[in-house]
Amino acid sequence: EVQLVESGGGLVQPGRSLRLSCAASGFTFDDYAMHWVRQAPGKGLEWVSGISWNSGSIGYADSVKGRFTISRDNAKNSLYLQMNSLRAEDTALYYCAKDMGALRALSPFDYWGQGTLVTVSS
Amino acid sequence: EIVLTQSPGTLSLSPGERATLSCRASQSVSSSYLAWYQQKPGQAPRLLIYGASSRATGIPDRFSGSGSGTDFTLTISRLEPEDFAVYYCQQYGSSPAFGQGTKVEIK
Repeated sequence: EVQLVESGGGLVQPGRSLRLSCAASGFTFDDYAMHWVRQAPGKGLEWVSGISWNSGSIGYADSVKGRFTISRDNAKNSLYLQMNSLRAEDTALYYCAKDMGALRALSPFDYWGQGTLVTVSS
Repeated sequence: EIVLTQSPGTLSLSPGERATLSCRASQSVSSSYLAWYQQKPGQAPRLLIYGASSRATGIPDRFSGSGSGTDFTLTISRLEPEDFAVYYCQQYGSSPAFGQGTKVEIK
């Protein structure tokens, strides 16, 4: 059974940093691309970042480019999101999602975690 | 950047009725890289349809997708009580993007 478990969320002040983690199990992690998708309270889904199976291809939404960094450790079956210079508008539930393919594009997201909540407020 | 616009924002229907949801792209979606997701309150999204018309594993055949280019449709042939939820379209090209969602509510 595929499982994606996010952690690392919490309350953080504007301008500070936070690192999210996603622990994956139930599939061969290094065969697939992975993504972070967020959802602000009461709002829709926003793709944040994606990374290919071997970290060779990485992409970011314009709203986070230069502030967030995605990475993965295939030996630990884990995905990460380093979030710097956080803003109030980054407040959201952050989901880890598995891609159906190995590249970070051209395939949909077939499994999702339950999310970790990030609240940016002073 | 491809922008997806979903309509209507809310669809009020009764169980057993047919639901037709629309997703329009600001430019052509290459090779039908278009998916549909269902999200229920307090739950993560679930993949329903990919490649514009292929059902994901375990998805009932009352869900169907169609369309190409810039216009796509999700149809639920007969609404079951568990189908009342929010539905999102997504294009998964080089920079994935989601539509704003359509809420299907009980009339």
